[in-house]
Amino acid sequence: QVQLQESGPGLVTPSGTLSLTCSVSGDSISSHNWWSWVRQPPGKGLEWIGEIYHSGMTIYNPSLKSRVTISVDKSKNQFSLNLNSVTAADTAVYFCARARVSLGTSLPDLWGQGIQVTVSS
Amino acid sequence: DIQMTQSPSSLSASVGDRVTITCRATQTSSAYLNWYQQKLGKAPELLIYSATSLQSGVPSRFSGSVSGTDFTLTISNLHPEDFATYYCQESYSIFRTFGQGTKVEIK
Repeated sequence: QVQLQESGPGLVTPSGTLSLTCSVSGDSISSHNWWSWVRQPPGKGLEWIGEIYHSGMTIYNPSLKSRVTISVDKSKNQFSLNLNSVTAADTAVYFCARARVSLGTSLPDLWGQGIQVTVSS
Repeated sequence: DIQMTQSPSSLSASVGDRVTITCRATQTSSAYLNWYQQKLGKAPELLIYSATSLQSGVPSRFSGSVSGTDFTLTISNLHPEDFATYYCQESYSIFRTFGQGTKVEIK
């Protein structure tokens, strides 16, 4: 049974860096999948942040690209999200997800439970 | 970027009803349109991919269809556990844009 679990600080100060980790069990991070981050501000819809392949190849949402870094740690079967220069607008539930390869693209087919991150001083 | 216009934003329905939700894309291909269900406080779950393919384990009362750039999610015979918010998503562009969501509420 594949499971994904987000971890990291629930509170980040403005202008700081949001850092989250997603631990994967039941599947190898080196499998033929991409690994994604998606967020959801309170009471709002979903926003795709970006994703990474085990080779280290990344794709980022252009609207966040200047502030986002996604990395992978194959030895720990984890991948991580760093979002810098955060503001209150980055307050959201952050989900990690496995994105399976399909027809030359990828789509999230299995999600973690999500972690609430609040940006506040 | 691709715009995804989902309608309606909310609807009220009764158990046993047939429900349809529409997503209009400014640009995409039917191969790259997905539907998700999200219950309150939970992560989204994939229902339909490539516009019409049912994800493994999803009940057959869920179905997807396409006409041009208009995509439809249909729930036939609404069950109590189907009251949730539904999102379309395009996986065609680098933005992987989601629709605004449709909340299905109990009448």
